[in-house]
Amino acid sequence: DAGVTQSPTHLIKTRGQQVTLRCSPKSGHDTVSWYQQALGQGPQFIFQYYEEEERQRGNFPDRFSGHQFPNYSSELNVNALLLGDSALYLCASSLGWAGNTEAFFGQGTRLTVV
Amino acid sequence: GESVGLHLPTLSVQEGDNSIINCAYSNSASDYFIWYKQESGKGPQFIIDIRSNMDKRQGQRVTVLLNKTVKHLSLQIAATQPGDSAVYFCAESALYGGATNKLIFGTGTLLAVQP
Repeated sequence: DAGVTQSPTHLIKTRGQQVTLRCSPKSGHDTVSWYQQALGQGPQFIFQYYEEEERQRGNFPDRFSGHQFPNYSSELNVNALLLGDSALYLCASSLGWAGNTEAFFGQGTRLTVV
Repeated sequence: GESVGLHLPTLSVQEGDNSIINCAYSNSASDYFIWYKQESGKGPQFIIDIRSNMDKRQGQRVTVLLNKTVKHLSLQIAATQPGDSAVYFCAESALYGGATNKLIFGTGTLLAVQP
């Protein structure tokens, strides 16, 4: 049973560029959440997708956007990259968004902005 | 605002001892709590969870205790092993606007197991 998979694993971008990160949820899961984890910090909630719609959003600017596809996979897009966007980006999947259920995380994408 | 914090940023224990990692949360509306283990270069790994209608839950070598009165959560690891060395996060979740699985994480505790 494949768990949550993310691609790419590492990425280096230049300030001002745009980046797209991808996530495939655990088999059977339909909800995808994205988190940003700065070095030495806990993950911070970016947003959550269910039924191809953004259901809730954390305190992140509009430069951060996402999408969920009919197969439940998801993308995170970040425009106009800043040095401060350098972080580990984590995708978590769960079953349903109504009620608290166990969330499984992927290995993350390490984004470095130079 | 909402926050989940840890009392001890670093915990060093001897192999075979029991470990206790503590966490305080501030949102009294939180009703679901999870402990995650994160090894270097990896994503958080689910350890154990507990819902607010419970005070204690046990897994394999791990126990989570929830004290809603003082909004405190702890993770106990029995017979700590070198493989337990990692950063441990507590996370809380509450129902927002009907439903969500949004998790609020603390900053983490580094558990260092000495052989």
